[in-house]
Amino acid sequence: DGGITQSPKYLFRKEGQNVTLSCEQNLNHDAMYWYRQDPGQGLRLIYYSQIVNDFQKGDIAEGYSVSREKKESFPLTVTSAQKNPTAFYLCASSIVSGGLDTGELFFGEGSRLTVL
Amino acid sequence: GEDVEQSLFLSVREGDSSVINCTYTDSSSTYLYWYKQEPGAGLQLLTYIFSNMDMKQDQRLTVLLNKKDKHLSLRIADTQTGDSAIYFCAEKGYNTDKLIFGTGTRLQVFP
Repeated sequence: DGGITQSPKYLFRKEGQNVTLSCEQNLNHDAMYWYRQDPGQGLRLIYYSQIVNDFQKGDIAEGYSVSREKKESFPLTVTSAQKNPTAFYLCASSIVSGGLDTGELFFGEGSRLTVL
Repeated sequence: GEDVEQSLFLSVREGDSSVINCTYTDSSSTYLYWYKQEPGAGLQLLTYIFSNMDMKQDQRLTVLLNKKDKHLSLRIADTQTGDSAIYFCAEKGYNTDKLIFGTGTRLQVFP
């Protein structure tokens, strides 16, 4: 079945360590997104990519990095520079249509990162 | 920047109707969406409405859009305990693929 797979589901990290969250999709979608979810704050966009080898910063990119070497994959690295990394991270994908499509986002099941 | 706002909590009795409200600021919104998130999971699209529509009904779900007031609502008829979740409103502006999400409304259904 087509979908988005995030791993790991739970991750614990010590302060000062970088950690990479995986996101893979087999929907043949061009665009992929990373959101951060904190209680009472909804979803905030970290990074997004509309095409391979290109990506743009979202609203809260500081302390994060991404790569888009393959259409199917959009890994997110949470670096030690991210001051408050404990959160629920969601990856999503969509068709790129320049706004001409319904724009539905398909989400993965999320990864919960806890910094000890 | 553009903003989407929702109340944080709603509590209803099983069998009653639930109404979740959302306001947005983007006057160029093309599509508006309702997503559902169950505990510890990702978001799933419940329904969407195109900005030139006033209402959309899908089984127990009714979406109302007041474009003049930039107000969107989701009515769930005959609310069940399985409807307990967080509901997110989102909007997409003109000529963009990015969605702006609200803070989410946590719906609690009690017997």
